[in-house]
Amino acid sequence: EPEVTQTPSHQVTQMGQEVILRCVPISNHLYFYWYRQILGQKVEFLVSFYNNEISEKSEIFDDQFSVERPDGSNFTLKIRSTKLEDSAMYFCASSGQGIDTQYFGPGTRLTVL
Amino acid sequence: GESVGLHLPTLSVQEGDNSIINCAYSNSASDYFIWYKQESGKGPQFIIDIRSNMDKRQGQRVTVLLNKTVKHLSLQIAATQPGDSAVYFCAEKTGSARQLTFGSGTQLTVLP
Repeated sequence: EPEVTQTPSHQVTQMGQEVILRCVPISNHLYFYWYRQILGQKVEFLVSFYNNEISEKSEIFDDQFSVERPDGSNFTLKIRSTKLEDSAMYFCASSGQGIDTQYFGPGTRLTVL
Repeated sequence: GESVGLHLPTLSVQEGDNSIINCAYSNSASDYFIWYKQESGKGPQFIIDIRSNMDKRQGQRVTVLLNKTVKHLSLQIAATQPGDSAVYFCAEKTGSARQLTFGSGTQLTVLP
C-alpha cells in the first residue's frame, strides 16, 4: 500500500540553524501539506501546496518557513533560523485530485537546543 | 476563532466492548469530517471520513455518526481490541479550503 515517507525521523539542531525536513508524498497525489504537533497538543496546519505553489498557509507559517518541491518526488519544509519553540513533530501529508482524504507520514521529530 | 474539540480526553474500555469517542465542532460551515488514529511516535492514520450530506458511515468495525443539528461527531469502534489503543483525533474541513482543523484528541485505552 502506498504511503507517505519522511526523513529524518529525528533532527536535533541548535537555535538559529537552518533545517530541511523531507517528505516523499504518495506518488499520484497532487496536494501536499505540512502540519506540526507540539508535544501534548493538537495537530496544527502549516501549509498546503499544489501545482508548484502555496495554496494556503496558517499564521504559524511565517517568513522563517518555506516549502519546495525540488523534483518529481520530494516535498521539503525549510526553517531558516530555528527557534526553541519550533521543537515539535512535523508531519507531511498528501491527497489526490478531487479527494479530501489526507494521508500522513510518520513525522520528523525536531528538537531545537 | 472556531475550533474542533473533544468532550473527553481519556477513555478506557474492556477488550471486546464497543467504544464511542465524541467530538464537538463549532464551525457550522464545515462539510467534511475525518477521524484519525495516532499511535505513540507515529503519524495520524486515516480511519474513516464523512461528508455533511450524510448522517452515518460505516467501515470495518468503525462507524462515524454526524449530527449537524448539535454539531457533534462520534466514532464507534465495535469489539474493541488491544490494537485499538491510541489517541483518536477528529478533524474538519470547510468548503474548498484544503487545511484540516484538528481536535485535541482522546486517549483510548483497551483493558484486558
